[in-house]
Amino acid sequence: GAGVSQTPSNKVTEKGKYVELRCDPISGHTALYWYRQSLGQGPEFLIYFQGTGAADDSGLPNDRFFAVRPEGSVSTLKIQRTERGDSAVYLCASSLNQGANTEAFFGQGTRLTVV
Amino acid sequence: AQSVTQLGSHVSVSEGALVLLRCNYSSSVPPYLFWYVQYPNQGLQLLLKYTSAATLVKGINGFEAEFKKSETSFHLTKPSAHMSDAAEYFCAVRSFGNEKLTFGTGTRLTIIP
Repeated sequence: GAGVSQTPSNKVTEKGKYVELRCDPISGHTALYWYRQSLGQGPEFLIYFQGTGAADDSGLPNDRFFAVRPEGSVSTLKIQRTERGDSAVYLCASSLNQGANTEAFFGQGTRLTVV
Repeated sequence: AQSVTQLGSHVSVSEGALVLLRCNYSSSVPPYLFWYVQYPNQGLQLLLKYTSAATLVKGINGFEAEFKKSETSFHLTKPSAHMSDAAEYFCAVRSFGNEKLTFGTGTRLTIIP
C-alpha cells in the first residue's frame, strides 16, 4: 500500500499569504503527527492527532498555525499571514496506534518557501 | 523535559570502515530512543528503536545501537560502511506517556570511496 503522502511537495508563497498543506496518512493509521524541519535542524514537533482530535498541540509556534483532521484521516496544516521565518520543510507522520513502541511513518514533506 | 545531543554535524568515513554516530539523551523518565535516516529528497525512515527490552538493538542495513544508561548514550554503529549509507541520521527520544518525538540536529554521513 501507499505510504504517507504530502501535497504539494513544494510551495512558494508571498509573505502575508495563507497556505494549506495536506497530509494523507497510511490507511487505518489513527495517529497523525506534524513536524517542521528548518534548514540544518532536526524535525520539531508541532501537533499530534489521535483520531479527529488534537491530543497535543503544544508545538504550534503561534496562533497563525492551525491544523485539522475532520474525518480522522486526511489532515491539513493551515498557516495564516505567512512570514519568511515560516520557510521550512513540513513533515507529516502517521502510526497505527499510540504508544512509544509504535513506529511512525513519515512522508517526504512539503518544502514551504515564503518570499 | 527531554532532549538529544548529536555530536558531530558531519562525519566522513572511508568505505569499509567503522561508522560511529554519537547520540546522548536527557530525559527525566525512562526514555524510548530511535535512530532515523533521511536520504536526499526522501522522508525519514526508522533504522532502529530502543524500548526498554535488550540494550543492544539491531536495525536495518546492518546498523546497531547500544543503550547505555550510565552514559546516557545511544550511539549508532555499523562495522563496515557502504557508499549507500551516505545520508543524514537523526537520533530521537520519546518519553513514556508522551507521543511526540524530540529529534537531535542530525549528523550528515559522507562515505569516501
